[in-house]
Amino acid sequence: GAVVSQHPSRVICKSGTSVKIECRSLDFQATTMFWYRQFPKKSLMLMATSNEGSKATYEQGVEKDKFLINHASLTLSTLTVTSAHPEDSSFYICSASKGLATDIQYFGAGTRLSVL
Amino acid sequence: AQRVTQPEKLLSVFKGAPVELKCNYSYSGSPELFWYVQYSRQRLQLLLRHISRESIKGFTADLNKGETSFHLKKPFAQEEDSAMYYCALAAGGGNKLTFGTGTQLKVEL
Repeated sequence: GAVVSQHPSRVICKSGTSVKIECRSLDFQATTMFWYRQFPKKSLMLMATSNEGSKATYEQGVEKDKFLINHASLTLSTLTVTSAHPEDSSFYICSASKGLATDIQYFGAGTRLSVL
Repeated sequence: AQRVTQPEKLLSVFKGAPVELKCNYSYSGSPELFWYVQYSRQRLQLLLRHISRESIKGFTADLNKGETSFHLKKPFAQEEDSAMYYCALAAGGGNKLTFGTGTQLKVEL
């Protein structure tokens, strides 16, 4: 159990368009979901933490108007990259945990975003 | 702010040889440490966490607060251990993870 589905796995878009990435917990209720960004040969950088029904908490340096996060239900969180530019091209990964306290995070397979 | 350091980008060992993947952390409070693993073409998954004090797939890791380390060890490497290994830290009581840059383990025959 504890499967996290992330969709799409890859997206190519034109500069200036918006892209939505979905993260779903398939067999458990995810109290907390996380969004990470991974640059080539770099570590995962936490972008934001979202709890169901409340506003996401963004890490320092992450533009909340650029990266819109919605966590409307206990099984779905979305990340929308608004007005994407080439510098937003990256690998985005979501994870979900069952509880609020320190808990295991279950990861999605990631989304490769390429902005032309 | 917390930091996790994995000094080796790549570690290559022969099958049957001992493995040690290094992880050092910087955090003033009481941390919780994890090792996550990513096998080829698979997603990141938890390997072990220090509070569990268990051995997973022959791997163990001991939290050394004096040396601020959480090295991952296995006495005899297997080919299927080849993967990317990430050390991660959660600040005391919190659920946000700070990841190291990862170490690619390659087990050669």
